[in-house]
Amino acid sequence: NAGVTQTPKFQVLKTGQSMTLQCAQDMNHNSMYWYRQDPGMGLRLIYYSASEGTTDKGEVPNGYNVSRLNKREFSLRLESAAPSQTSVYFCASYPGTPVWETQYFGPGTRLLVL
Amino acid sequence: EDKVVQSPLSLVVHEGDTVTLNCSYEVTNFRSLLWYKQEKKAPTFLFMLTSSGIEKKSGRLSSILDKKELFSILNITATQTGDSAIYLCAVEVGNTGKLIFGQGTTLQVKP
Repeated sequence: NAGVTQTPKFQVLKTGQSMTLQCAQDMNHNSMYWYRQDPGMGLRLIYYSASEGTTDKGEVPNGYNVSRLNKREFSLRLESAAPSQTSVYFCASYPGTPVWETQYFGPGTRLLVL
Repeated sequence: EDKVVQSPLSLVVHEGDTVTLNCSYEVTNFRSLLWYKQEKKAPTFLFMLTSSGIEKKSGRLSSILDKKELFSILNITATQTGDSAIYLCAVEVGNTGKLIFGQGTTLQVKP
């Protein structure tokens, strides 16, 4: 099992460019999440998908869109990148049950917007 | 608005010291509280505390949850340089696995 994988690992964009961050999990988990992490801010939830076919906004959704392509894949799109979106992005997945389970995180994507 | 607050934000200690990290929360529909350790990569899971499990211990690390006062503490005894990391507290709300994170506490353990 690869767990949660993210591509790319690192990306540099110019202001106004677009890109899609890819996330995939092979654990048959129902729920998937996108977070961003900035220095001193912990992790903030951007969007999540509680189950295949559904998506919901998190704490900081502005400037992002998501697609739950199938049960395995959950992508995050920046339509017009801004310097404020420079951050480390983590994807996570969660099985839902049993109750003692927790989220599994991918290795992160470091994004720099110039 | 759901909120999780950690203190202190940063801490510098020497090897062998004992540290206590704090996490307070105000959320609707509390399900569990989780502690993670992060060392320059993805967070790694330490503990989950729920209504039915308010105290956990693993080696030199231990944690308690006070559901009445809405806080948790993470204790690390006999600290080592390998304990240097960001410690994140998160609260799970609802039944979708959604987590609200605190700002994190950066711990530096000096030799």
